Amino acid sequence: GDSVTQMEGPVTLSEEACLTINCTYTATGYPSLFWYVQYPGEGLQLLLKATKADDKGSNKGFEATYRKETTSFHLEKGSVQVSDSAVYFCALRVYNQGGKLIFGQGTELSVKP
Amino acid sequence: DADVTQTPRNRITKTGKRIMLECSQTKGHDRMYWYRQDPGLGLRLIYYSFDVKDINKGEISDGYSVSRQAQAKFSLSLESAIPNQTALYFCATSDQAGSSYNEQFFGPGTRLTVL
Repeated sequence: GDSVTQMEGPVTLSEEACLTINCTYTATGYPSLFWYVQYPGEGLQLLLKATKADDKGSNKGFEATYRKETTSFHLEKGSVQVSDSAVYFCALRVYNQGGKLIFGQGTELSVKP
Repeated sequence: DADVTQTPRNRITKTGKRIMLECSQTKGHDRMYWYRQDPGLGLRLIYYSFDVKDINKGEISDGYSVSRQAQAKFSLSLESAIPNQTALYFCATSDQAGSSYNEQFFGPGTRLTVL
């Protein structure tokens, strides 16, 4: 079945360090891919998305490129801030099944000053 | 005001008790979802509804039931709560058209503890 696998956390970085959170997926058809972010004590909110192969989603300095050949959607940021500390979830929208999302297990990021 | 609200935000209950979690939305979306979040497991879909008359089971529906009372309201019930239902529960909504197509909007979550 369809699934999403993320790198395990927690990830601890110093401010201004580079960030990569790996995400790979297994899916039939042509899924849309998403990164959601969960700040402490809050619900999830959409960070970025890509709907077809080679699309690049970007927001708040974060980027991710939909790589069909490697079935990946890695999240990257060149310089993290303390305010980026959160849990990040990779997700895919199941093809042809309405709005259903399948989530990865989440990766906790902690950025130290 | 928040677009997706959940009540209660926190609840502690005992094994065997019936409990209802409520979700309301003012976004006018037709689709609503219930997820549970457990550490290391991400979010897993419990039930989803595409409109008032369309209710579907997700991957972990056993032990849960839902009611879509109106387009804006979607309730999750635990008929007889058990400790392994202790988790963080999220409601979400989505629209099937327009600029928000594909995106789900989440409520703030309900932290449920079953003793």
